[in-house]
Amino acid sequence: EAQVTQNPRYLITVTGKKLTVTCSQNMNHEYMSWYRQDPGLGLRQIYYSMNVEVTDKGDVPEGYKVSRKEKRNFPLILESPSPNQTSLYFCASSFRQTTDTQYFGPGTRLTVL
Amino acid sequence: GQSLEQPSEVTAVEGAIVQINCTYQTSGFYGLSWYQQHDGGAPTFLSYNGLDGLEETGRFSSFLSRSDSYGYLLLQELQMKDSASYFCAVVGVTSGTYKYIFGTGTRLKVLA
Repeated sequence: EAQVTQNPRYLITVTGKKLTVTCSQNMNHEYMSWYRQDPGLGLRQIYYSMNVEVTDKGDVPEGYKVSRKEKRNFPLILESPSPNQTSLYFCASSFRQTTDTQYFGPGTRLTVL
Repeated sequence: GQSLEQPSEVTAVEGAIVQINCTYQTSGFYGLSWYQQHDGGAPTFLSYNGLDGLEETGRFSSFLSRSDSYGYLLLQELQMKDSASYFCAVVGVTSGTYKYIFGTGTRLKVLA
């Protein structure tokens, strides 16, 4: 089944404790993104990757890191989480960056205390 | 800057037709997409307009006017299951970067 998977689905952590949210897709998509969703603000792009070893900042990259060592995986790293990073995070992938459908993962709800 | 505007909430009754508008401001415009998100779920793709005009997919249609920087999603024969949030989205290109910009979403309530 074609899908985007994220882990964990729920995470409660404390300020400053490094964490990684994994994202994997099995559709051989080139373009992958991370978004955060906050009430009233819609989906905001954090980082994106147009292919292996090619990543770039979205609109809200501060406090986040990403890597794209393999085509299928695009982990999101929070090296020193803060309470303002409490949010719902979605990973998404598409075959190309300009026109194709984005397929979203199920989401990761992160709470930073 | 780059931005999209859509109404925050729309209410309609079962069986009715509803239109959700989206105006955008972006550089390097490629096309307008629409996504549906039910509470607690992930966004799912509904439609894409790369050229001016109307695209129809079952009960849903989407329209784009590039000259007016405007599009809309039309939902016909509304059903209770259509109650969800709807997001318009564009890809903005700036200096070789391809960023997705989403609107803040329109919450559709379908009443029995």
